[in-house]
Amino acid sequence: EDQVTQSPEALRLQEGESSSLNCSYTVSGLRGLFWYRQDPGKGPEFLFTLYSAGEEKEKERLKATLTKKESFLHITAPKPEDSATYLCAASDTGFQKLVFGTGTRLLVSP
Amino acid sequence: NAGVTQTPKFRVLKTGQSMTLLCAQDMNHEYMYWYRQDPGMGLRLIHYSVGEGTTAKGEVPDGYNVSRLKKQNFLLGLESAAPSQTSVYFCATLMGGGNEQFFGPGTRLTVL
Repeated sequence: EDQVTQSPEALRLQEGESSSLNCSYTVSGLRGLFWYRQDPGKGPEFLFTLYSAGEEKEKERLKATLTKKESFLHITAPKPEDSATYLCAASDTGFQKLVFGTGTRLLVSP
Repeated sequence: NAGVTQTPKFRVLKTGQSMTLLCAQDMNHEYMYWYRQDPGMGLRLIHYSVGEGTTAKGEVPDGYNVSRLKKQNFLLGLESAAPSQTSVYFCATLMGGGNEQFFGPGTRLTVL
């Protein structure tokens, strides 16, 4: 059974304090590894898709990387507006049936 | 463009009542999905559709039915609501060949 596990559950950072979020997955025949951001009371918002081990994608202060078993979301010099829940998901089909992790709740204090 | 809209935003039901959640999109996307989100469980796929007139089961389909009579609409029905269906429901769409699912704002459902 496909499984996605995220750690930590919650992370508190000071503004400017870089860190990484982890997503480990057990998916046979990975077709894509996805990162989403979710603000309270809203739907998830797409960040990145990674397709193969070694791939990296960047967007502002965020950088996602992928290995054969894990993905990391690196946050460099975070700002309070980066506070949100970050969701990782994996798909093993062409119809993008996503299996989500439970998310990491990030709080960045000024 | 409105993107993905969901109706209603909030609803309280009594056990055994029925209701239909509506997802509408104006992006002409082929694929549509219904998820539920529960604390500690993450988002789980209920049903999905790869085109008008098609539906398929996801991870947690029991107790729900869906229909996609028009490309722009995806309906999620609860025939006899149970307290275990208390959740936040999200609809999402995907362009064929794309990699970004667009999510709606969600429907918060409470079943008493």
